[in-house]
Amino acid sequence: SQKIEQNSEALNIQEGKTATLTCNYTNYSPAYLQWYRQDPGRGPVFLLLIRENEKEKRKERLKVTFDTTLKQSLFHITASQPADSATYLCALSSNDYKLSFGAGTTVTVRA
Amino acid sequence: EAGVTQFPSHSVIEKGQTVTLRCDPISGHDNLYWYRRVMGKEIKFLLHFVKESKQDESGMPNNRFLAERTGGTYSTLKVQPAELEDSGVYFCASSLGQTYYNEQFFGPGTRLTVL
Repeated sequence: SQKIEQNSEALNIQEGKTATLTCNYTNYSPAYLQWYRQDPGRGPVFLLLIRENEKEKRKERLKVTFDTTLKQSLFHITASQPADSATYLCALSSNDYKLSFGAGTTVTVRA
Repeated sequence: EAGVTQFPSHSVIEKGQTVTLRCDPISGHDNLYWYRRVMGKEIKFLLHFVKESKQDESGMPNNRFLAERTGGTYSTLKVQPAELEDSGVYFCASSLGQTYYNEQFFGPGTRLTVL
């Protein structure tokens, strides 16, 4: 069966360091992969999308890589800030609209 | 511009009762989605509307769940009768189009507790 795994439930990091989150998948051939941020009591908020034929995407302090051979995406937050503390979700889709989410990784950035 | 709104924010009901959740999408968004997250699990797709039509309801768990979208505007998700395993957070999302580059905007969710 299809499986999406995010490397750990929680990640604690010092302000200014780079946070690296992993999303691995099995029995899946996604056309594209998205990363979302979710704050407590709120719905997911879209951050970045990367297509299967793209290796890397950047947006401000965020960077996403997508390796379809390894079946893995890495999500980096550089120069992390306390305001980056949240749960980050990866979501895959093999068609246009139906998203399959990982369980999420909760990042805490210490000042 | 108002985002996706959901009502109620919380609902506590007893097993066997009926609950109706409401979602108001962003104005002009033809595509509306329902997802849910049950305790300890990941967010899962339930169904997709295009205007008032159900495009894909492959994620609906069973026939105790009924979703409607009157006139292609707001949507309701009714659970009747509710069971303990229905507890979780129900999210609604909307998008302008249904292709991959159309961002899905999520509401804050309705937390449903079935006792």
